[in-house]
Amino acid sequence: GQNIDQPTEMTATEGAIVQINCTCQTSGFNGLFWYQQHAGEAPTFLSYNVLDGLEEKGRFSSFLSRSKGYSYLLLKELQMKDSASYLCARRTGANNLFFGTGTRLTVIP
Amino acid sequence: ETGVTQTPRHLVMGMTNKKSLKCEQHLGHNAMYWYKQSAKKPLELMFVYNFKEQTENNSVPSRFSPECPNSSHLFLHLHTLQPEDSALYLCASSQDWTGGFVNTQYFGPGTRLTVL
Repeated sequence: GQNIDQPTEMTATEGAIVQINCTCQTSGFNGLFWYQQHAGEAPTFLSYNVLDGLEEKGRFSSFLSRSKGYSYLLLKELQMKDSASYLCARRTGANNLFFGTGTRLTVIP
Repeated sequence: ETGVTQTPRHLVMGMTNKKSLKCEQHLGHNAMYWYKQSAKKPLELMFVYNFKEQTENNSVPSRFSPECPNSSHLFLHLHTLQPEDSALYLCASSQDWTGGFVNTQYFGPGTRLTVL
């Protein structure tokens, strides 16, 4: 398999910060993507990392360490609408994505 | 219509039926993908087409047969499916099939398939 691991579920409070971790093997690695998927909807692109470091996009940031095979998605100032599944995906070869099982985030008031 | 559309959104079929799923992208992309999403399992890549040519078949059983008549349309023909094939089938598209840049895949809403 692709050995992509992420926590199954997380809960966080509105207004808080949450970090969702993802670990994956790095052989043949060509970038790491994060997608958001609300129940019954299409996954939507959030962020992409191919080099080590932090990519920031508004309330969302994503970090990658290739040597450790480790990434995280950081969500700040959580809102109720952020309740969704967050999918980590490893790209290999050309443009093939291999996904983790996703982390279901529940934001509570 | 914008983005990636899929029809039907829901489909119930018997094991002896033949049906087809349709995907259309309005983004001017040249690569299209089929994925399967089963409960509590990762999104699984099934097929990839780049400029109408199939470039990837991820060991998918022959009861699933893809067709890509042009860069905007992708079909998945289904026949003699099994109950374990019940899942959400997602289509995606991207600029093309190269990985040298952020070649984001944009997903359609999926077809929820139930095989009885």
